[in-house]
Amino acid sequence: NAGVMQNPRHLVRRRGQEARLRCSPMKGHSHVYWYRQLPEEGLKFMVYLQKENIIDESGMPKERFSAEFPKEGPSILRIQQVVRGDSAAYFCASSPHSYEQYFGPGTRLTVT
Amino acid sequence: RKEVEQDPGPFNVPEGATVAFNCTYSNSASQSFFWYRQDCRKEPKLLMSVYSSGNEDGRFTAQLNRASQYISLLIRDSKLSDSATYLCVVNMAETSYDKVIFGPGTSLSVIP
Repeated sequence: NAGVMQNPRHLVRRRGQEARLRCSPMKGHSHVYWYRQLPEEGLKFMVYLQKENIIDESGMPKERFSAEFPKEGPSILRIQQVVRGDSAAYFCASSPHSYEQYFGPGTRLTVT
Repeated sequence: RKEVEQDPGPFNVPEGATVAFNCTYSNSASQSFFWYRQDCRKEPKLLMSVYSSGNEDGRFTAQLNRASQYISLLIRDSKLSDSATYLCVVNMAETSYDKVIFGPGTSLSVIP
């Protein structure tokens, strides 16, 4: 059973470009979570999704950020018009239920 | 009071030492507790769940004190490979789904 997959592992974007991060949950997991971790800081919850539904987006910035988890395919975290402050590690986690979460290796976004 | 609090450390201990971390939580209705470890620039990994009666996994012992609302992690005979950040995770209980909160983490360095 493959673990949580994230791609790309590293992403470099210039200010103003769009960043698209993908997450494929573990087989059989229907819950997906996205977290952001700034250098030397803790994990910050962003959004929780189930298939085709956003359950909790209380941690998402109001603008430029969106997430989806379509019926088919990976979950996508999209950041439009990136700024330098968006540079961080973005982790995706999946779960068969709402408690134990299994993390992917993360995508490290660098905005130049 | 923050929902989940941890002493950030760093804890610097010699190999072979015993070290203990505490984590306090604010919601007395919380029912599920976990410890994760995160190595530098890697994803968090589930270390162990914390059960009401306490549980042990090799050199690691986790305990729950509901009256004082804290959980603890004890590491015996520390190894160099135990160096990491240890994250306490607690469910919130009062949300519409089983939301968990990650603590800020406690940094451990085991030195030769």
